[in-house]
Amino acid sequence: AQSVTQLGSHVSVSEGALVLLRCNYSSSVPPYLFWYVQYPNQGLQLLLKYTSAATLVKGINGFEAEFKKSETSFHLTKPSAHMSDAAEYFCAVSDSGGKLIFGQGTELSVKP
Amino acid sequence: NAGVTQTPKFQVLKTGQSMTLQCAQDMNHEYMSWYRQDPGMGLRLIHYSVGAGITDQGEVPNGYNVSRSTTEDFPLRLLSAAPSQTSVYFCASTAGRRRGDTQYFGPGTRLTVL
Repeated sequence: AQSVTQLGSHVSVSEGALVLLRCNYSSSVPPYLFWYVQYPNQGLQLLLKYTSAATLVKGINGFEAEFKKSETSFHLTKPSAHMSDAAEYFCAVSDSGGKLIFGQGTELSVKP
Repeated sequence: NAGVTQTPKFQVLKTGQSMTLQCAQDMNHEYMSWYRQDPGMGLRLIHYSVGAGITDQGEVPNGYNVSRSTTEDFPLRLLSAAPSQTSVYFCASTAGRRRGDTQYFGPGTRLTVL
């Protein structure tokens, strides 16, 4: 069975600082992994996804994530945080039927 | 395209009342699903459908019914609301069931059961 763990329910960074949101997965098959972002009072929007091609995946708004099989990780990074990045971020893994299994979510705060 | 739409945006119910959360998509997507979002628990799958006339249970189906009479619509019914169903509900759709397919989410319905 697949599962996802996001380390840290709240992360706070200063504007311009590196953003690092952690995601570890467990999967009995080669994983397909997703990062979604949820802005306040909105639905989820896809940031990026890993589908077994390049291990470094670039997404929207300057975010990227690296798939590391040896560490079972898919951490999300952005070199320089912007105030508009404040949101909740979800990591998810897709199971054999195409259903998504989500992590608990990480709320990112950006301080001026 | 409007994408995935949900109505209502907000709803307050009393315990024991029933209601239907509406979800529609205009992308001709085959696969639709309902999730609930609770603090610290991420999103959990309630029910899903792989096409008109075909539905199945997800992780937390108790207290909810669904049907899929058309490709476009996938309503979620609460037959007798309970306070434990206070949550934010999201509908999602995707073109197929391949593991790499992207799911597109609606804006959500925030439900409070008193």
